[in-house]
Amino acid sequence: RKEVEQDPGPFNVPEGATVAFNCTYSNSASQSFFWYRQDCRKEPKLLMSVYSSGNEDGRFTAQLNRASQYISLLIRDSKLSDSATYLCAFGGGGGADGLTFGKGTHLIIQP
Amino acid sequence: EAQVTQNPRYLITVTGKKLTVTCSQNMNHEYMSWYRQDPGLGLRQIYYSMNVEVTDKGDVPEGYKVSRKEKRNFPLILESPSPNQTSLYFCASSPRSDTQYFGPGTRLTVL
Repeated sequence: RKEVEQDPGPFNVPEGATVAFNCTYSNSASQSFFWYRQDCRKEPKLLMSVYSSGNEDGRFTAQLNRASQYISLLIRDSKLSDSATYLCAFGGGGGADGLTFGKGTHLIIQP
Repeated sequence: EAQVTQNPRYLITVTGKKLTVTCSQNMNHEYMSWYRQDPGLGLRQIYYSMNVEVTDKGDVPEGYKVSRKEKRNFPLILESPSPNQTSLYFCASSPRSDTQYFGPGTRLTVL
């Protein structure tokens, strides 16, 4: 079973729409959860941490479902500038320190 | 400005010629790590360091060495590069083992 699974996409979404994607993890001991954004040929940048109670940052909402072992990211009123690859990451699972990353979901916002 | 820097940003070399990619952070972070990113494989951790003189293997350490003589620097050493080490490399630092901040990346080609 893969450690982290993400739908690679691409997700083609019209500007202004709401888009959501999930990321599942296999290590039930994971304790920290994140969404990163990566633009083409650039470094990943932290988008937001994911807390147990769910959290929101402007148009972005992240949620954690420990029972089903997945996190989600919802983007409302999508902008052209939201086009990027979104990586989920998990840490604190008792293995090597650091984060385990998903392979990313490619999102394309179309005008 | 808080940042992680890597040098060089681009490097083309030949098989067997030793090379070093430098990484430096100015945030006084204890934790640093190296990742490589390959199409279809995502980000994979090579080595990490939890503090000065403390390093450990990540998921794909074969063919690489690291050192952590100072808190701010964490160079990645390829003693005898091979074509399968052609990749995009990212250094990252963190005040703890999650929430990592990435450098701009080094694109390495080994001929």
